[in-house]
Amino acid sequence: AQSVTQPDIHITVSEGASLELRCNYSYGATPYLFWYVQSPGQGLQLLLKYFSGDTLVQGIKGFEAEFKRSQSSFNLRKPSVHWSDAAEYFCAVDFTGTASKLTFGTGTRLQVTL
Amino acid sequence: EAGVTQSPTHLIKTRGQQATLRCSPISGHTSVYWYQQALGLGLQFLLWYDEGEERNRGNFPPRFSGRQFPNYSSELNVNALELEDSALYLCASSPRTGLYEQYFGPGTRLTVT
Repeated sequence: AQSVTQPDIHITVSEGASLELRCNYSYGATPYLFWYVQSPGQGLQLLLKYFSGDTLVQGIKGFEAEFKRSQSSFNLRKPSVHWSDAAEYFCAVDFTGTASKLTFGTGTRLQVTL
Repeated sequence: EAGVTQSPTHLIKTRGQQATLRCSPISGHTSVYWYQQALGLGLQFLLWYDEGEERNRGNFPPRFSGRQFPNYSSELNVNALELEDSALYLCASSPRTGLYEQYFGPGTRLTVT
């Protein structure tokens, strides 16, 4: 069955430290991959996306993600976290090939300590 | 450029009533998507409309329905409301069918009492 897993429910990092949020999917082919961020009471903001091509994707706010086909993973990274990065992060995957029906992971809540 | 807008921001209904939620896509976008974000269930795909037609729906009962108008705005209707329908309903839009990311609105918080 097609599924998206974000193994970390909650992560706490210190401001200035590096960050990696994990995302794995279960699918026989290469899906389309997205990372979204949601601040409290807000909608979702797209951080970055992968459709094809270069497996290292750059996004907004200094985030990047790497698609690893062999590991069925699309982990999100940031070299230096800012206090304003505290939010909930969702990995989303489209298995339909039309980028129309997103399947979301359960989310990772990021807390940043000063 | 204005983003996706949704109305109302909050909606309180009683079990058994009907709720109507509205979404206006980004100008030039023809595809509209609806998602439900319920506590404990996460974000789930509800419906996809493109060019006025329903293109796909998620695993929700028929009492969840909607439509897309000629100006590409959309309505989500939930009939015979149940307590478990309480959730944040998010609307998203994209330029058209194809490989485009979805842009989300702020959501409508529906509370069923």
